[in-house]
Amino acid sequence: AQKVTQAQTEISVVEKEDVTLDCVYETRDTTYYLFWYKQPPSGELVFLIRRNSFDEQNEISGRYSWNFQKSTSSFNFTITASQVVDSAVYFCALSENAGNNRKLIWGLGTSLAVNP
Amino acid sequence: NAGVTQTPKFRILKIGQSMTLQCTQDMNHNYMYWYRQDPGMGLKLIYYSVGAGITDKGEVPNGYNVSRSTTEDFPLRLELAAPSQTSVYFCASSGTEGKKNIQYFGAGTRLSVL
Repeated sequence: AQKVTQAQTEISVVEKEDVTLDCVYETRDTTYYLFWYKQPPSGELVFLIRRNSFDEQNEISGRYSWNFQKSTSSFNFTITASQVVDSAVYFCALSENAGNNRKLIWGLGTSLAVNP
Repeated sequence: NAGVTQTPKFRILKIGQSMTLQCTQDMNHNYMYWYRQDPGMGLKLIYYSVGAGITDKGEVPNGYNVSRSTTEDFPLRLELAAPSQTSVYFCASSGTEGKKNIQYFGAGTRLSVL
């Protein structure tokens, strides 16, 4: 069965700390995609990154970085030198390549509070 | 480029009333989705569509209906509103080429049923 687990429900850090949000997934498919979305307090859902199962290279975008490890079925997200504007709920999601519906399996999200 | 547009942003319904949540996208995406998000919870798929004229149920379809007469529009209909349908509703779309599988979301509709 496909499943995405974000074990950290809430994380609170002080500004400038580094923080890692964990994401563990389950799938029987060999081809799949993993995603991270951000939902700030304003409520909209913002796409951050997509990674396919054949690309295990780490990705860095400014203060954001992602570590994809197939061996542990994890796709973790690290924010370096966190800022108050990073306060949001972050969702990890999985999409299997098979099928014609492009549906996403969502984790329950991790609420990150960055305090000044 | 507006992306995915949802209307209304907020709505209060009385139990038993009906309403349609509108969703339109201008990205020529084939795939469209309706989700609901309850407080502290993740997203649950209500209905989705893989193209005009084709719709299918998601995880929580009861109490809702959809139609997809055009590529751009994917309205969600609540026939007999119930308090359990109080939620935030998100519409999303995704394409088939290049950045396929990436779902782009509307700003959401906050619905209260009293």
